[in-house]
Amino acid sequence: KAGVTQTPRYLIKTRGQQVTLSCSPISGHRSVSWYQQTPGQGLQFLFEYFSETQRNKGNFPGRFSGRQFSNSRSEMNVSTLELGDSALYLCASSPSTSGSFGPYEQYFGPGTRLTVT
Amino acid sequence: KNQVEQSPQSLIILEGKNCTLQCNYTVSPFSNLRWYKQDTGRGPVSLTIMTFSENTKSNGRYTATLDADTKQSSLHITASQLSDSASYICVVSAPTGNTPLVFGKGTRLSVIA
Repeated sequence: KAGVTQTPRYLIKTRGQQVTLSCSPISGHRSVSWYQQTPGQGLQFLFEYFSETQRNKGNFPGRFSGRQFSNSRSEMNVSTLELGDSALYLCASSPSTSGSFGPYEQYFGPGTRLTVT
Repeated sequence: KNQVEQSPQSLIILEGKNCTLQCNYTVSPFSNLRWYKQDTGRGPVSLTIMTFSENTKSNGRYTATLDADTKQSSLHITASQLSDSASYICVVSAPTGNTPLVFGKGTRLSVIA
């Protein structure tokens, strides 16, 4: 089974621009979560989607948004980029059947390294 | 406030030695606790997931313990290998509240020959 894939792997953007990142979950997984990882804050939860619905959302400003398609692929968008948005963005998929963070394994992708200049 | 604290921040050990990483949390209510291993430049990989009713869980040379009363968990690595060099992240799941997953900052482990 193919793992979680994320595209692009690396991205450089300028302050004020917007960016869209893509995540393809493991086949059969309907839960997709997004995380931001920075050296200072560590891993932080952004949001989770299950069957095209946002089930959970972390404490991030409205500039961060996402969506999930009927084939479970997910995208996240960051508008009006700030220097502080430079980070590794990770996506994870799960075989969870309820969209909650029960004792289900989460499988992470390799991440997208976003640099904002 | 829901928090997860990990110690030590970093650790250097000799190949073949054992080590124990600590995780203390204040998350309540508690659903489950996870330990992840993250190699540099890669996504985290799950090592164990423990619910509040589980005290110990093993995955090869990795053994996690959980004391839900004291809200402490530990990850014990036996007979360390160079490939164990990575960051180890403790994550606690809270079924209610704004942040369903609370992450520790991780312990950076370096295993040297």
